[in-house]
Amino acid sequence: DADVTQTPRNRITKTGKRIMLECSQTKGHDRMYWYRQDPGLGLRLIYYSFDVKDINKGEISDGYSVSRQAQAKFSLSLESAIPNQTALYFCATSDDRGHGYTFGSGTRLTVV
Amino acid sequence: AQTVTQSQPEMSVQEAETVTLSCTYDTSESDYYLFWYKQPPSRQMILVIRQEAYKQQNATENRFSVNFQKAAKSFSLKISDSQLGDAAMYFCAYRRGNFGNEKLTFGTGTRLTIIP
Repeated sequence: DADVTQTPRNRITKTGKRIMLECSQTKGHDRMYWYRQDPGLGLRLIYYSFDVKDINKGEISDGYSVSRQAQAKFSLSLESAIPNQTALYFCATSDDRGHGYTFGSGTRLTVV
Repeated sequence: AQTVTQSQPEMSVQEAETVTLSCTYDTSESDYYLFWYKQPPSRQMILVIRQEAYKQQNATENRFSVNFQKAAKSFSLKISDSQLGDAAMYFCAYRRGNFGNEKLTFGTGTRLTIIP
């Protein structure tokens, strides 16, 4: 099994719909992150969580919310999807010792 | 805020040749980490190499090595003996070194094409 599992892998949704992207990890790390990737923009941080009770906004949190249900689970919600939220979304986890991130395989979201 | 700049949106190299991808960053910190990630068409993000700023020795991983110039805030990736499987997007990333600052800041990426 993958260390970081994201579901769904691909999703097409309509404008105005609520959608949740799910992420779970088996690394046992406290730190979890949600990024979005757009062509020419790299990866940008949406939200991050350093433990179950600690959730923080990243640089592009508008239009998104998150829930940290357990150490291993961190979900991202779009309350009312809009077309410019079409992107590739990554969940990741890390330790606190600078060893880098472990990423999920991404969710490609298309809002039509 | 820290920024990471990759000035080469696209690069190409002949198979078996050597290519260098550029990355510069802006920070006022003295303790930090730098990373190169590879994203092949499968879209998985794969850690290629990692450098701690306090280490003067450049990191190497098999055919991958870095040229870390701390004073110039430069962190380039050299790929030797390029192989077809090296074709991918490459992202440079930075994080501050102190505890509680594990967020990564990414560059915009360089798409590497390998010419057979």
